[in-house]
Amino acid sequence: SQTIHQWPATLVQPVGSPLSLECTVEGTSNPNLYWYRQAAGRGLQLLFYSVGIGQISSEVPQNLSASRPQDRQFILSSKKLLLSDSGFYLCAWTFRDRVTGELFFGEGSRLTVL
Amino acid sequence: AQRVTQPEKLLSVFKGAPVELKCNYSYSGSPELFWYVQYSRQRLQLLLRHISRESIKGFTADLNKGETSFHLKKPFAQEEDSAMYYCALSGGLTGGGNKLTFGTGTQLKVEL
Repeated sequence: SQTIHQWPATLVQPVGSPLSLECTVEGTSNPNLYWYRQAAGRGLQLLFYSVGIGQISSEVPQNLSASRPQDRQFILSSKKLLLSDSGFYLCAWTFRDRVTGELFFGEGSRLTVL
Repeated sequence: AQRVTQPEKLLSVFKGAPVELKCNYSYSGSPELFWYVQYSRQRLQLLLRHISRESIKGFTADLNKGETSFHLKKPFAQEEDSAMYYCALSGGLTGGGNKLTFGTGTQLKVEL
């Protein structure tokens, strides 16, 4: 069976510090990968998605970047965090070749920037 | 552009009462609609999708293309239905695979 792991679960960082959130998927190959941000009253906002190694699409301009160094690894990064980067970040995956529309979500990472 | 609107942030009902969570969408093509649910301290997960035309945990949702709606309904609410519900839309595999656009979510609270 497939699993998705996301870490760290909680992170408190000062303004201007770097960020690295990591997500890995097990039990499948060639998944589509996604980073969402969940904010109260604003729903889930798609930040980045990837259909393959090194292929990253950004949905919204922001202070964050994403990378996919391996097939089942997806990393969310920032060189210098802003207060507005605080939030709950969700990684998700789906089968690339199936039109199911079902996303499988990780447990999330809560980032607080002080 | 695709958009999903959930007009209610919070919906409070009594146990045994009917439930209707509203969802309207905007999309120029032929959409796929979904409802996702997040129970307390659990992961966000798929509840149902319109193409399956299935009832999950007593919930159903019918796609109304004329009204561009996909409301989630259950005739008798149960306490365990309390959760955050998100409506989502997909344009399919075009341009980078199964991107889902989510609404802002509705918190359902079932009171005894």
